[in-house]
Amino acid sequence: QVQLQESGPRLVRASETLSLTCTVSGGSMTSDRWSWVRQPPGMGLEWIGYVFHNGYTNSNPSLKSRITMSVDTSKRQFSLKMSSVTAADTAVYYCARDSGMNRLDDWGQGTLVTVSS
Amino acid sequence: DVQMTQSPSSVSASVGDRVTITCRASQDIDTWLAWYQQRPGRAPRLLIYAASSLQSGVPSRFRGRGSGTDFTLTITSLQPEDFATYYCQQANRFPLTFGGGTKLEMK
Repeated sequence: QVQLQESGPRLVRASETLSLTCTVSGGSMTSDRWSWVRQPPGMGLEWIGYVFHNGYTNSNPSLKSRITMSVDTSKRQFSLKMSSVTAADTAVYYCARDSGMNRLDDWGQGTLVTVSS
Repeated sequence: DVQMTQSPSSVSASVGDRVTITCRASQDIDTWLAWYQQRPGRAPRLLIYAASSLQSGVPSRFRGRGSGTDFTLTITSLQPEDFATYYCQQANRFPLTFGGGTKLEMK
């Protein structure tokens, strides 16, 4: 069973960069897609994108210009950076494992990131 | 983007009831559909993939059906732990997109 845990600042100032890291335990990082999903308070789910073990990324066009995803398999971590944040980026951010079939098999517990003005 | 529309947005039921949730895609996604359960304050949990395949460890009272644009999730004999919000997600093309959710509440 793969376990994931998000970490990073819970409060980010508007116009600055949100940075999150997900630490993976169990399983192999070389066969799956390492994904990010977010959920604004009281709202639905939005797929952000994924990073593959070789650094290949695929992201939501609505966010693509502002996000950078990376992976460090030696540390068993992958990361998300989102620039120029606004209040609309306030959300619970989840990291997740995509088994390669475009579904999210395992999820981290999520971390609420609040953008302050 | 493929738009996913769930109905109803909320439903009330009792323990032991049978409930069906519907998800409609804006274009043909074959059977590239997943269902998730989200309990309050928790991460989503994968229940069903490929429209009708049960994820390991998920009780058999959860059943998914459909193909093309119309899909259903049926929960037979509701248990107390099933009261949660359910989301469908299309897995056919990027960006992956989710339905707006169906909140299953206790009557």
